[in-house]
Amino acid sequence: QVQLVESGGGVVQPGTSLRLSCAASGFKFSSYGMHWVRQAPGKGLEWVAVTSYDGSNENYADSVKGRFTVSRDNSKNTLFLRMNSLRAEDTAVYYCAKDGLGIKYYFDYWGQGTLVTVSS
Amino acid sequence: QSVLTQPPSASGTPGQRVTISCSGSNSNIGSNAVNWYQQLPGTAPKLLIYSNNERPSGVPDRFSGSKSGTSASLAISGLQSEDEADYYCASWDDSLNGWVFGGGTKLTVL
Repeated sequence: QVQLVESGGGVVQPGTSLRLSCAASGFKFSSYGMHWVRQAPGKGLEWVAVTSYDGSNENYADSVKGRFTVSRDNSKNTLFLRMNSLRAEDTAVYYCAKDGLGIKYYFDYWGQGTLVTVSS
Repeated sequence: QSVLTQPPSASGTPGQRVTISCSGSNSNIGSNAVNWYQQLPGTAPKLLIYSNNERPSGVPDRFSGSKSGTSASLAISGLQSEDEADYYCASWDDSLNGWVFGGGTKLTVL
């Protein structure tokens, strides 16, 4: 069965960096686009970034463009999100999600999420 | 302010039929498919409806989706207490070159 397990969250100060990981299993990781979606406490869902199956194509939400970088290691079935210049408004649970096929289909499987808190 | 507009709340009694609307524009719903997600309290979201009206395996046929122009809707018939959750619509936006979500609708089963 498909499993997505995020890690790397924690409490960090504004302006610092953090890298999240998402370990995937139960499907052919190298064949699917992968997304990051976040949810601030008590708020709705916000799409963050996507990488294509081979990592050659990336797209970002305007709110994180230039600060966040999505990448993947298909040899290790792992998705990453490098977050730089973190702000208080980046505080959220970060979910990784598998695309149904490419990058524009749907999020058919989600991880349990990892909490990132940006606070001084 | 979300790009897609949903009512913040909806409610119904057991057995009733409820609908949740999702309004967008030509660059998102008007040009691309709509998906719906269900988020039960304290859990990760789950795909409920994809490609406007398709149900993933395991989703009861009480849930259905439709789309017309720049709007979409989710219908839940035979409402059950376990349907109490937050529901989100989502679509790809060609202008933003990314995914957009509705603000979410909290469904209460009275």
